[in-house]
Amino acid sequence: KQEVTQIPAALSVPEGENLVLNCSFTDSAIYNLQWFRQDPGKGLTSLLLIQSSQREQTSGRLNASLDKSSGRSTLYIAASQPGDSATYLCAVRAKLNSGYSTLTFGKGTMLLVSP
Amino acid sequence: DTGVSQDPRHKITKRGQNVTFRCDPISEHNRLYWYRQTLGQGPEFLTYFQNEAQLEKSRLLSDRFSAERPKGSFSTLEIQRTEQGDSAMYLCASSLATSTEAFFGQGTRLTVV
Repeated sequence: KQEVTQIPAALSVPEGENLVLNCSFTDSAIYNLQWFRQDPGKGLTSLLLIQSSQREQTSGRLNASLDKSSGRSTLYIAASQPGDSATYLCAVRAKLNSGYSTLTFGKGTMLLVSP
Repeated sequence: DTGVSQDPRHKITKRGQNVTFRCDPISEHNRLYWYRQTLGQGPEFLTYFQNEAQLEKSRLLSDRFSAERPKGSFSTLEIQRTEQGDSAMYLCASSLATSTEAFFGQGTRLTVV
């Protein structure tokens, strides 16, 4: 059974710092990995999608890397801003026993960026 | 199309009542997923539709839960005889294919009192 772990569970940084969020997964047989942002009481906003054949993806101040063989991904946020405060979720898409696929999520990292 | 839409955004119900949620996916997306998220946890998979066919159901989906996608467009999730343990955020997602990005709605927050 696929399990996804995110470290740290919570992170508090001053504005302007660069930071790294970590995600690990137990089964490397994945189709892709997706990073999401979730604001309190809201749905999920997709940030980056990395296919299993890719090593990294970039969008603005965000960079996500994937090492499928070791079961790890990192989300790098450059020059953090208070507006980045949210919970960041990592999810892997993998095949179920039935042959279909779904996303398996970690519990998230709660980020607080203080002015 | 503005994305995945869920209705209602919030629902408060008494224990034992039935509730129904609706999800409208992105129009060209044939894959639709329901997830449940409790406080402090990541979303957990409930069920999956490809077009109108329900192809996968999690063990979390007890007999009191039923989902439909009658014409391969919008989907409904019904919970019968609600229990306090059903209180959670119910999230709907859609995608075009297995390899493509999944987009989520804003969720329906259910509170059972």
